[in-house]
Amino acid sequence: GQQVMQIPQYQHVQEGEDFTTYCNSSTTLSNIQWYKQRPGGHPVFLIQLVKSGEVKKQKRLTFQFGEAKKNSSLHITATQTTDVGTYFCAGPTNAGGTSYGKLTFGQGTILTVHP
Amino acid sequence: GAVVSQHPSRVICKSGTSVKIECRSLDFQATTMFWYRQFPKQSLMLMATSNEGSKATYEQGVEKDKFLINHASLTLSTLTVTSAHPEDSSFYICSARPGTGSWGNIQYFGAGTRLSVL
Repeated sequence: GQQVMQIPQYQHVQEGEDFTTYCNSSTTLSNIQWYKQRPGGHPVFLIQLVKSGEVKKQKRLTFQFGEAKKNSSLHITATQTTDVGTYFCAGPTNAGGTSYGKLTFGQGTILTVHP
Repeated sequence: GAVVSQHPSRVICKSGTSVKIECRSLDFQATTMFWYRQFPKQSLMLMATSNEGSKATYEQGVEKDKFLINHASLTLSTLTVTSAHPEDSSFYICSARPGTGSWGNIQYFGAGTRLSVL
């Protein structure tokens, strides 16, 4: 079945260092979404990428969608302690029929930032 | 906008009791609502997909008689964990999807419910 793989599983950085998490899908995606979950919190939508090769920026966060629409990345420049949390990518579930908007989530990357 | 309210945030109950969790979309109508279960430091595991007015669709391995889902309106879905046992202890999160508009496919999550069964 469809798989969305995300690496690394854990990332520990010093404050000020950059951070990147990578997401790879076993199938072509119509779009990819990124969510952030703070410790003890719930996932919060960050962004949706739709176009092949698309790059979007949100302040220090840069999101990319691969040309083949099977991979994506999230890069954070100069991490801050507020960036701590788990970052998930998610793609529409390819259910072979009506999926009702289900998402297949990657395993997530847990980011720890040391001050 | 796009706020999803989930209650209660924490439940502690005795084994054998049933627990109901509510999920409400406060400022939009949700075409579909989803129920997830999450174990510590793990990803979201989809349990079921709920559409207003129709039976929920359960993922493989999820007991529908154990986890009863009712989607009474376009803004309310409930999950009832029946005859809860310690192995049902977990973090349960709902999400709602508008289904229309440019952000129709985005899922907006509730704050989650931490269930502890003694």
